[in-house]
Amino acid sequence: DAGVIQSPRHEVTEMGQEVTLRCKPISGHDYLFWYRQTMMRGLELLIYFNNNVPIDDSGMPEDRFSAKMPNASFSTLKIQPSEPRDSAVYFCASSLGVPNTEAFFGQGTRLTVV
Amino acid sequence: AQSVSQHNHHVILSEAASLELGCNYSYGGTVNLFWYVQYPGQHLQLLLKYFSGDPLVKGIKGFEAEFIKSKFSFNLRKPSVQWSDTAEYFCAVNAGAGRRALTFGSGTRLQVQP
Repeated sequence: DAGVIQSPRHEVTEMGQEVTLRCKPISGHDYLFWYRQTMMRGLELLIYFNNNVPIDDSGMPEDRFSAKMPNASFSTLKIQPSEPRDSAVYFCASSLGVPNTEAFFGQGTRLTVV
Repeated sequence: AQSVSQHNHHVILSEAASLELGCNYSYGGTVNLFWYVQYPGQHLQLLLKYFSGDPLVKGIKGFEAEFIKSKFSFNLRKPSVQWSDTAEYFCAVNAGAGRRALTFGSGTRLQVQP
C-alpha cells in the first residue's frame, strides 16, 4: 500500500483565495483525521471521520474551514477565504477501527498564505 | 479533556549518549500511548505504542518506553543515540473507549552532535 496520500505537497496562495487540500487514506481504514502543525501551537486535531461521517469537528478553528469525506477513499479540507495565519503544515492520517492500532500519517501539505 | 505534556523542548546530545524524553498525560482512565518521530521535512512515523500488558515497550531503532501508571508517564529512552536520531519526537495519547483521535504533546526537538 502506498500509505496516506496528500496533495498538493506545497501550496502558496494569496490571502482571500480558496484553498483545497486533499487526502486519500490507506485502503480499508475507516478513520480519517486532519491535523494542523504550527510552531506556536504544535499538532492540533482539526476534525476526524469514522466511516465517512464527521465525529468531532471541535478543533476546526472557524467557519472558514470545512472538511468533507464523500467516500471511503477521499477527503478534502477547504479554507475559504484563506488568511496568513492559516499558514501551517496540514497532515492527514488514517487508522483502522480495531483495538491496538495506530494512525498512519501522510506527508503533509505545507500551506503558505501571503 | 486529555492533555499531554512534554517538558523537554530542545535536547542536545553527543553521539553515544543516553536519551530519556519525558511525557506525562492527564487522564484517569484507560489510555493508549504512542511515541512518533518526525525527521526534518518528513511526516510522523510511529516509534512505539502501548495498549496493555508489559509496561516496558520496545520500538524501532532501539527505542523503548516505560508506562508508569501511578505517575501518568510514558518516557522514551534510548541507551545510545546516533546522529541519525536527530528529529522531533512527539508523545501522544488517546483515552477512553471509542476515542480514536490522538492528542499530541508539544514535541521535543532532539539534536545529536557527531
